This record gives sequence, structure tokens and C-alpha cells, in this order.
Amino acid sequence: AQSVTQPDIHITVSEGASLELRCNYSYGATPYLFWYVQSPGQGLQLLLKYFSGDTLVQGIKGFEAEFKRSQSSFNLRKPSVHWSDATEYFCAVGPTGGGNKLTFGTGTQLKVEL
Amino acid sequence: DSGVTQTPKHLITATGQRVTLRCSPRSGDLSVYWYQQSLDQGLQFLIQYYNGEERAKGNILERFSAQQFPDLHSELNLSSLELGDSALYFCASSVGPSGGLETQYFGPGTRLLVL
Repeated sequence: AQSVTQPDIHITVSEGASLELRCNYSYGATPYLFWYVQSPGQGLQLLLKYFSGDTLVQGIKGFEAEFKRSQSSFNLRKPSVHWSDATEYFCAVGPTGGGNKLTFGTGTQLKVEL
Repeated sequence: DSGVTQTPKHLITATGQRVTLRCSPRSGDLSVYWYQQSLDQGLQFLIQYYNGEERAKGNILERFSAQQFPDLHSELNLSSLELGDSALYFCASSVGPSGGLETQYFGPGTRLLVL
């Protein structure tokens, strides 16, 4: 079955430091991968997505992610974290289950120290 | 603002009751998805409708049902509510039927508390 693992429940980084959030997936075919950010009261916002082609994808707010098939990973990165980046991040894979749904990881809560 | 609207924002009710959550997709989007986010289950897909027809089904309980109306808004009906149904319910929309291949835009969610 398809699944997504985010190994880090919480991560703390200092403002200005680099960030990497890990995401590993299990999928029988070429996956479609997504990173979403959840802000309180604002639902989920798409940061970036990978469908095919260049394995390094650029997203909004200065985020990027790299698809590594050999490692079944799609890690999210940012060179310099801002205090406003502190929130929860979700990795997702789709389509799954024979339908068109997204399967989400359990999320990583990012804390930024000033 | 994703363009997806959900009402109400908050809902408090009692066990055994029935509630209806409403979602209006982005203009031009034909697919609507419902997700449940709870502390113990995380974010789980419930059901997808495309242009009024059920398209995909996930871990949706028999006590729950949904529909999509001709104006494309959708309603999620939750009945015989239990304490464990307390969660944040998200609606998302996309242009076409292939939600896994398209960007899904999420609404702000409806927070349901069952007492």
C-alpha cells in the first residue's frame, strides 16, 4: 500500500539557518509528490509539487524539494528560515488507493528560534 | 486565500446528533474532496465528487455521507455522532477528476467538537 513517512514530528531551527524536512514514500509506480503547509485557520497551502521531469522543484516562499527515486525521498529544503515559517508541514503522495486521493504523512511541526 | 470556502468554521454538538458541513469549491473547479484531520488518525481522505458524481472513496464511515449539487457545492453529512468524530474537516477542490495529478486547493476547514 502507498504510504508517506515523515520521520520528524518536531524540528527546531534558528532563524537564518538552513532547513531540511524529511519525507519518505512507498509507492508502486512513479509518484506524484506534494508538500503542503498548514497555518492555523487557513487550511493547507501547496508549497510545491513534483509530477515528472527535473527532480529539483522550486516552490513558493523560497522552498525547494528534491525527488530522489533511489532513496524514495522527497525532502523539503529552505536555505534560510524565517520566523514566519514556524508551522506544520505535510508531505503527500497521490493518486493512491485506486482513486484520486492524496495520502498524507503525519506532519512535521517546525519551531524557529529567534 | 485558496478560493475554497467552508461553513461553519466551528461546530459544537452532542453525541448522537447529526450535522452538515458545507463547501464551495474554487470557481471553475469540478472536483470536491473531503478530508478528516484528527490527532490519532492524521489527515485522511474521505471522499471525492466530480461534477456531481462520486469519484473516489476513502476511509469514510457509513454514518457519513456526502453529495455534490448542480451548482458544484458539496455537503458532508455526519450522523449518529461519536466523541471520536471530533476533528478538523477539510474540503479541497481541483479542476478535473484526477485529484492525484492535479493541485488540490484546500479550504480553511470546519472544526467539529462532539461533546
